[in-house]
Amino acid sequence: DIQMTQSPSSLSASVGDRVTITCQASQDIAIYLNWYQQKSGKAPTLVIYETSNLQTGVPSRFSGSGSGTDFTLTISSLQPEDFATYFCQQFANLPFTFGPGTKVDIK
Amino acid sequence: QVQLRESGPGLVNPSETLSLTCTVSAMSVRNDYWSWIRQSPGKTLEWIGYTSHSGSTRYNPSLESRVTMTVDMSKNQVSLSLTSVTSADTAVYFCARSHQSRFDPWGQGTLVTVSS
Repeated sequence: DIQMTQSPSSLSASVGDRVTITCQASQDIAIYLNWYQQKSGKAPTLVIYETSNLQTGVPSRFSGSGSGTDFTLTISSLQPEDFATYFCQQFANLPFTFGPGTKVDIK
Repeated sequence: QVQLRESGPGLVNPSETLSLTCTVSAMSVRNDYWSWIRQSPGKTLEWIGYTSHSGSTRYNPSLESRVTMTVDMSKNQVSLSLTSVTSADTAVYFCARSHQSRFDPWGQGTLVTVSS
């Protein structure tokens, strides 16, 4: 299985801050990576697909980049509704696997 | 828009079979792939497998010997069966549309506790 790691595991930030979350795959996954946002007690929602494509309805302050084994999710100006846990997910190989998550909370 | 809703028992005895149903609305189950994903308390997400109406099915090897997924087109539902459960199977179970290997949307999830 492809192992996914994320850093940091948690971060505290203020409204308006620029936030960057990294995701690393244990082997080359090209651009086959998605990002999800999960708020407490809710189901995850798709934020970015195939590394850099913004899901319909997701604000443009979210962006994604990377290729191979290293990827980033950036929130350019953190908003109150962005406080959540973010997961990366690879789909280069079965089984699909997720990262452990990065919790973004209020400083 | 497409909506999914999981249903099934919230409590299952150890060694028995966990059975869940995902009801899809605003879209025919015939038109895509459907995944089950679970999340143990405080832990990350684990993909269980996907299925389609044509019978194209893939399971996570870690669970493959115990998992069956089926599609019921007459009811527009997708089902999950997991046999011989233990406490390690306690989790929130989600169904999700698997479109081009991305999961969107997801159901709200249902908590299944394995305990006697």
